[in-house]
Amino acid sequence: GAGVSQSPSNKVTEKGKDVELRCDPISGHTALYWYRQRLGQGLEFLIYFQGNSAPDKSGLPSDRFSAERTGESVSTLTIQRTQQEDSAVYLCASSSLAGVKDTQYFGPGTRLTVL
Amino acid sequence: AQSVSQHNHHVILSEAASLELGCNYSYGGTVNLFWYVQYPGQHLQLLLKYFSGDPLVKGIKGFEAEFIKSKFSFNLRKPSVQWSDTAEYFCAALSGGSYIPTFGRGTSLIVHP
Repeated sequence: GAGVSQSPSNKVTEKGKDVELRCDPISGHTALYWYRQRLGQGLEFLIYFQGNSAPDKSGLPSDRFSAERTGESVSTLTIQRTQQEDSAVYLCASSSLAGVKDTQYFGPGTRLTVL
Repeated sequence: AQSVSQHNHHVILSEAASLELGCNYSYGGTVNLFWYVQYPGQHLQLLLKYFSGDPLVKGIKGFEAEFIKSKFSFNLRKPSVQWSDTAEYFCAALSGGSYIPTFGRGTSLIVHP
């Protein structure tokens, strides 16, 4: 595709509900990152996928957070039993096989509000 | 662990003023450095990056940044800002061998016409 896309753009949910966020990376990009951005804060790394390797989940804040990626395409971030502190913008980024040193291309983000 | 500090959280300038946004990182080894920009209503996008070589890096839209290893700094500069430079600016660092960049908390720049 032309760029990284994310859906939904906005999600309002009630505390305790599960939510699923989707990321479509740029075609051919093997590396995919999820970040969280709380209001007034920098980007907080959540999880990293690289090709068929095991993902780096070291940034996931709790076991309520999980993510999957189908091959080298779509990724979904799932937050179970949402809490108010989960409210943030969730950003997805992808980069090419060059990986580490390559530019990350960001999606527009999903703004999650937990009431 | 790597950390990135952006000391200016909010900057307000008039058009044609000069700009310098500070960025300091903590890692002492090989480091790759980035500045990203997010214009209102748009995605985060790369402004410029430093991997090696000339420590003065030129980016898009007249921006440049200078890597000063002795000061652990990678400040962003522009000699004359425009109203269209109003945006959020993020500095990021990638330690040698790592694949997870560390981002600063961002600097909000407002340029008055």
